[in-house]
Amino acid sequence: TQLLEQSPQFLSIQEGENLTVYCNSSSVFSSLQWYRQEPGEGPVLLVTVVTGGEVKKLKRLTFQFGDARKDSSLHITAAQPGDTGLYLCAGASGMRFGAGTRLTVKP
Amino acid sequence: EAGVAQSPRYKIIEKRQSVAFWCNPISGHATLYWYQQILGQGPKLLIQFQNNGVVDDSQLPKDRFSAERLKGVDSTLKIQPAKLEDSAVYLCASSLETGRRNTIYFGEGSWLTVV
Repeated sequence: TQLLEQSPQFLSIQEGENLTVYCNSSSVFSSLQWYRQEPGEGPVLLVTVVTGGEVKKLKRLTFQFGDARKDSSLHITAAQPGDTGLYLCAGASGMRFGAGTRLTVKP
Repeated sequence: EAGVAQSPRYKIIEKRQSVAFWCNPISGHATLYWYQQILGQGPKLLIQFQNNGVVDDSQLPKDRFSAERLKGVDSTLKIQPAKLEDSAVYLCASSLETGRRNTIYFGEGSWLTVV
């Protein structure tokens, strides 16, 4: 079973701070996806990374896929209250999800 | 473009009762997924359909859960009889295709509480 472990489980920061969340596995994935889920809604895809070492940027969000394609990170610069939500990583084309990092950004 | 539609939005039932959830995917999407998301956890794939055929149902508790996709469009997920541990959000999702660059679109979910 391809397990995805996310850390930290919870993160509470002040507006303007930077943060990084992690997604790790002992398995190699052909791609990893990051989703954000807000309360009462379904997850929304943020990005897909497919190449080892790949870095993708989405405004203040930077996503990196590990060289060995077993891990990924999400870095948010100057976090805003609107970034609050559950950040999920997924592998195997969406068939395996991690438990998520619940981020709260306080104004 | 209309998103993935699910109903009912909320359901409360007693244990041992049955419940059914309905999903209408995005028009033209061949692949349909049902996930179970228990509070504090990530979504767990229950079943994946490609048109009206089952691709993966390895994590579906087949003794009590069933799903069908009639005519390759709408889908229903049924639980009978329900147990307390079935309390969760049931998410339906769809995608145009499969593969590592696949974009999956989720519905808002159906919240089930079993008491």
